[in-house]
Amino acid sequence: EPEVTQTPSHQVTQMGQEVILRCVPISNHLYFYWYRQILGQKVEFLVSFYNNEISEKSEIFDDQFSVERPDGSNFTLKIRSTKLEDSAMYFCASGLAGGRNEQFFGPGTRLTVL
Amino acid sequence: QKEVEQNSGPLSVPEGAIASLNCTYSDRGSQSFFWYRQYSGKSPELIMFIYSNGDKEDGRFTAQLNKASQYVSLLIRDSQPSDSATYLCAVTGGSYIPTFGRGTSLIVHP
Repeated sequence: EPEVTQTPSHQVTQMGQEVILRCVPISNHLYFYWYRQILGQKVEFLVSFYNNEISEKSEIFDDQFSVERPDGSNFTLKIRSTKLEDSAMYFCASGLAGGRNEQFFGPGTRLTVL
Repeated sequence: QKEVEQNSGPLSVPEGAIASLNCTYSDRGSQSFFWYRQYSGKSPELIMFIYSNGDKEDGRFTAQLNKASQYVSLLIRDSQPSDSATYLCAVTGGSYIPTFGRGTSLIVHP
């Protein structure tokens, strides 16, 4: 069964460093998403991406964040200058259609900022 | 500010019983409602979605939606120890940006 994959599973970085989190969505899906979940807290939407552009973004997704689909398979989230409060689990998700339809989540990348 | 509220639990039920999980939401314009299961340290897994008032059944799971009262619930029949997890309610409106609740921890004991 096809699934969303994410790498790395755990990333440790120093405050102020740039990180890139990688995701490979399910191959025939058209909509891509990033979420984060700080330990013990709720899942928070960051951004959705369709047709090679951002379709929605939340207030969390400020200028420090960017997303890219550099080729036909990868979908990346870049954090330019990490802060301590960026420490969280980051989930990528993909869906065949937008909005109301089912999103499939990847296993997540745990980001630890020291 | 759109809010989705869930009792954090834990909700403890014996094996074979019905577990009832509830969720209320603040935005009257909400259109789509999702239940996810999340095991500790894992990613959310979609169990059910519902758009219309009433009940929607899928196997042991039934989602119930009441838009007038702004709540959505999930019933799990014949609960199994493997159902022990945190259940997340998520709600979307016209923008399709989902708002998640904090989740309810369910413990099914043998």
